[in-house]
Amino acid sequence: DAGVIQSPRHEVTEMGQEVTLRCKPISGHDYLFWYRQTMMRGLELLIYFNNNVPIDDSGMPEDRFSAKMPNASFSTLKIQPSEPRDSAVYFCASSLADLVLNTEAFFGQGTRLTVV
Amino acid sequence: DAKTTQPTSMDCAEGRAANLPCNHSTISGNEYVYWYRQIHSQGPQYIIHGLKNNETNEMASLIITEDRKSSTLILPHATLRDTAVYYCIVELSYIPTFGRGTSLIVHP
Repeated sequence: DAGVIQSPRHEVTEMGQEVTLRCKPISGHDYLFWYRQTMMRGLELLIYFNNNVPIDDSGMPEDRFSAKMPNASFSTLKIQPSEPRDSAVYFCASSLADLVLNTEAFFGQGTRLTVV
Repeated sequence: DAKTTQPTSMDCAEGRAANLPCNHSTISGNEYVYWYRQIHSQGPQYIIHGLKNNETNEMASLIITEDRKSSTLILPHATLRDTAVYYCIVELSYIPTFGRGTSLIVHP
């Protein structure tokens, strides 16, 4: 498997525009996570899915943020409208729940978003 | 209310062992200790995890005290490529939540 794949790697957009970040998790993984990383706030969990269902979105900063997982192999994080303070690196991660081994999460390379 | 406490930064000479401490005094009996690291401009990478026993893999060793209130990640022979931020995470479920971690600088 190629690992968790995120696209695009870099995104520059103007304030007010819609931004969509994409993630392809590792095949067979049943958990998917979206994180945001900034210098000020560190690495924050935004939302996570289990078997394509959103479980906890309490980390989503505002209604401008939304995430979907239409199937097991694809998820999107959308910001509409975008603001300069949304500039950050956004990471997607996936994991396989294993009650015996309690396995780890695998992270993508991230999308660096700049809103000007 | 952070579950873990780590030093902000540490440094280590190349080739020497790097010992990264983590305090987790409020850990509950069924919570695991995980370590991840993040090399600059990359996504976090899993290193090792444990519950009660010490663990070793090809990357590192994890030493957990008997009372489980603290642990130490050991990189036995640090290289320049081990320069990264190291995160100690205590979790019950499969949801990693990150603190600020320890910035480890390995110098020649």
